[in-house]
Amino acid sequence: EAGVTQFPSHSVIEKGQTVTLRCDPISGHDNLYWYRRVMGKEIKFLLHFVKESKQDESGMPNNRFLAERTGGTYSTLKVQPAELEDSGVYFCASSFFNRETQYFGPGTRLLVL
Amino acid sequence: GENVEQHPSTLSVQEGDSAVIKCTYSDSASNYFPWYKQELGKRPQLIIDIRSNVGEKKDQRIAVTLNKTAKHFSLHITETQPEDSAVYFCAASPFSSNTGKLIFGQGTTLQVKP
Repeated sequence: EAGVTQFPSHSVIEKGQTVTLRCDPISGHDNLYWYRRVMGKEIKFLLHFVKESKQDESGMPNNRFLAERTGGTYSTLKVQPAELEDSGVYFCASSFFNRETQYFGPGTRLLVL
Repeated sequence: GENVEQHPSTLSVQEGDSAVIKCTYSDSASNYFPWYKQELGKRPQLIIDIRSNVGEKKDQRIAVTLNKTAKHFSLHITETQPEDSAVYFCAASPFSSNTGKLIFGQGTTLQVKP
């Protein structure tokens, strides 16, 4: 079974630019989560999709972040415009309907200069 | 708000020794507690989890204990090996959120010296 995949693996952009991260969950997983780890700190929840609907977006930092999951399959997370504090590793995770066991992707390392 | 504290932040042990990582959580209604291992450059991998109706769970050299009264849970690794070296994250799923989101601890970097 293919695992959660994320693209790109790394992204280096300048402050003020736009970046779009993509996550492909495990096939059949209705739940999709975005998390972020800032250097040396905990992994923090950003938001949760159930199929194409946003179930919980309480962790989104501000309105510069926009997440979508059109058709309930893959998801994108856009940061526009990027700020220095947005640097970190963005993880995506997915799970079946029972929501408990979450499988993580390899992450996208974002560096904003 | 919901919070998980994890200690220690770094842990160095000799191969063959045991390692213990402890976490406390703030939401007493939390009902699911997974542990993830992240090796350098790789994705976090679930290594063991425990639910609130169980006090202890073991899988070969790894065990997790849960004390709901004290809101503590711990990871125990026995007979450590160099390949156990990684960052370990504990997490709790706050029942109050009803979304399955995980609240993570800060991570513990475990180094097993050969």
